[in-house]
Amino acid sequence: DSGVTQTPKHLITATGQRVTLRCSPRSGDLSVYWYQQSLDQGLQFLIQYYNGEERAKGNILERFSAQQFPDLHSELNLSSLELGDSALYFCASSTTGSSGNTIYFGEGSWLTVV
Amino acid sequence: AQSVTQPDIHITVSEGASLELRCNYSYGATPYLFWYVQSPGQGLQLLLKYFSGDTLVQGIKGFEAEFKRSQSSFNLRKPSVHWSDAAEYFCAVGGGSTLGRLYFGRGTQLTVWP
Repeated sequence: DSGVTQTPKHLITATGQRVTLRCSPRSGDLSVYWYQQSLDQGLQFLIQYYNGEERAKGNILERFSAQQFPDLHSELNLSSLELGDSALYFCASSTTGSSGNTIYFGEGSWLTVV
Repeated sequence: AQSVTQPDIHITVSEGASLELRCNYSYGATPYLFWYVQSPGQGLQLLLKYFSGDTLVQGIKGFEAEFKRSQSSFNLRKPSVHWSDAAEYFCAVGGGSTLGRLYFGRGTQLTVWP
């Protein structure tokens, strides 16, 4: 158990819909990362937050957004869903979000878009 | 550009045999290197990491990895594989100005024959 908690574990939704994935980082970790894992693209970095502020942005679509709340939990919002958005979405956390920190991953949220 | 190459998509070994999974990286700064393992339906578990110092690092579950700067490699090894080691293994690199984000290889699927 990494200490990173993600909900829901599984989600099935229709095209065009919107979903929210939730993440609670490890106790004491200030930085949260979101990754997408798909057969086509492998593990892709989406976005990073540190103590409530966006820190880095990767290959995140405009239809996707994220935020980190004062209690440090984070949410990833996916809207206007397409079939290609079906993937495993990982949340991860680290102490400071700087290089050299170990990043711990949650078990992921499986999203299926039908 | 930062990238990680895992040349072997799939490796099959017999239980008790030795194992080496290859990882090559391309990185513009001093790399921090990681190996993660993903069991079916599970999240990413950190096996080991290299930040600096001794180039041979020990991890959990009897795994070790050796950093070779001249070859831009960080190969994972285990002297005797157990059936429970069957999983997918990911090499990742970070460091420098990446603010903690990691770049992942496409993974190597390990099958263990009894």
